Amino acid sequence: EDKVVQSPLSLVVHEGDTVTLNCSYEVTNFRSLLWYKQEKKAPTFLFMLTSSGIEKKSGRLSSILDKKELFSILNITATQTGDSAVYLCAGNSGGSNYKLTFGKGTLLTVNP
Amino acid sequence: GAGVSQSPSNKVTEKGKDVELRCDPISGHTALYWYRQSLGQGLEFLIYFQGNSAPDKSGLPSDRFSAERTGGSVSTLTIQRTQQEDSAVYLCASSFLASYNYEQYFGPGTRLTVT
Repeated sequence: EDKVVQSPLSLVVHEGDTVTLNCSYEVTNFRSLLWYKQEKKAPTFLFMLTSSGIEKKSGRLSSILDKKELFSILNITATQTGDSAVYLCAGNSGGSNYKLTFGKGTLLTVNP
Repeated sequence: GAGVSQSPSNKVTEKGKDVELRCDPISGHTALYWYRQSLGQGLEFLIYFQGNSAPDKSGLPSDRFSAERTGGSVSTLTIQRTQQEDSAVYLCASSFLASYNYEQYFGPGTRLTVT
């Protein structure tokens, strides 16, 4: 059975801190890994990673994938209160059984 | 443009009743997905459609759950004889194609409460 595990489950930091969120995966016929941010309702897309070692960056957020060790990290530098959310990681399988397998998420709270 | 929309946003129903949840995908997106998010749990994949076809229904929790999609657009998820354990947020997503290199865009979800 496919599995995605995120750590930590929750994290409390102060504004300006840098955080690293972890995601390990065991996904059959793995094709890509996705990160989403969920504040209230709809998860919003952050990154899709398909290749090892290539960092994707968007402002203060960045992410990288290691397909040998089967994990990904999401870094957020100079955190702001608006970064408070649940961050979801998902492994994407291809072929005829296409689906996303999500982790339980990391709840990030950024205090002023 | 308009994103994925879902209705109703909240639904409270009595145990044993049937419910229908609706999803309107982004225009032009051929793939549509249903997920369930229970309290403290990650998103659980239920089913996806490529066009009107659902290649894999194995994620549906029981035979009380069914989904259909007509005209390659709107989809309905039906839960028959609801149970309390069906209480969750049901999220719908769509993508241009059901392929690993297209990201999924999510709707706001329907919060279902079975009393």
